[in-house]
Amino acid sequence: NAGVTQTPKFQVLKTGQSMTLQCAQDMNHEYMSWYRQDPGMGLRLIHYSVGAGITDQGEVPNGYNVSRSTTEDFPLRLLSAAPSQTSVYFCASSYQGLRGGEQYFGPGTRLTVT
Amino acid sequence: AQTVTQSQPEMSVQEAETVTLSCTYDTSENNYYLFWYKQPPSRQMILVIRQEAYKQQNATENRFSVNFQKAAKSFSLKISDSQLGDTAMYFCASPFDMDSNYQLIWGAGTKLIIKP
Repeated sequence: NAGVTQTPKFQVLKTGQSMTLQCAQDMNHEYMSWYRQDPGMGLRLIHYSVGAGITDQGEVPNGYNVSRSTTEDFPLRLLSAAPSQTSVYFCASSYQGLRGGEQYFGPGTRLTVT
Repeated sequence: AQTVTQSQPEMSVQEAETVTLSCTYDTSENNYYLFWYKQPPSRQMILVIRQEAYKQQNATENRFSVNFQKAAKSFSLKISDSQLGDTAMYFCASPFDMDSNYQLIWGAGTKLIIKP
């Protein structure tokens, strides 16, 4: 199993550009999440999904869109990049839901918006 | 708002020593899990240990154990016989109910440095 994969690992965008961060898992997990990690702060939830076709907002959803057309894939779209979105982004999946299940994380994407 | 507090931004100990990282939380849930994750310089997030809140017995995983004080909402991580490979950021996480979908709130992390 590859686990949770994320592409790209690094990305530099100009303000106003859009892009999609890819996330895929091969563990047949229903629950998937996107987090951002900023210096001096813990992970903050952007969006999450409890199954194909079902998504919802997390703590910091503004400026981001998600969709979940398959169990395996959960892409994160930045609509119009802003410098405040400079961060490290993690995708995670879980088989038990977030109440008790271990979350498996991808390797992260370091995004810089200039 | 529910919060998770890690009061030690950075700690440093000698190899083979024991170190305890603190965490307090304020979830209003009754039945939940608490988690400690490790993030080494590689940036990969790895589960260290989890505690079921309804269990009185503290969880242990080899050299890692927790001191869970439910009434005090305290969840500290003890690392015994510390090794150089334990050098990492450590995050604790607590659940909260977001419209019936449980999510995790994360602490800001403790940077642990194990010195040879």
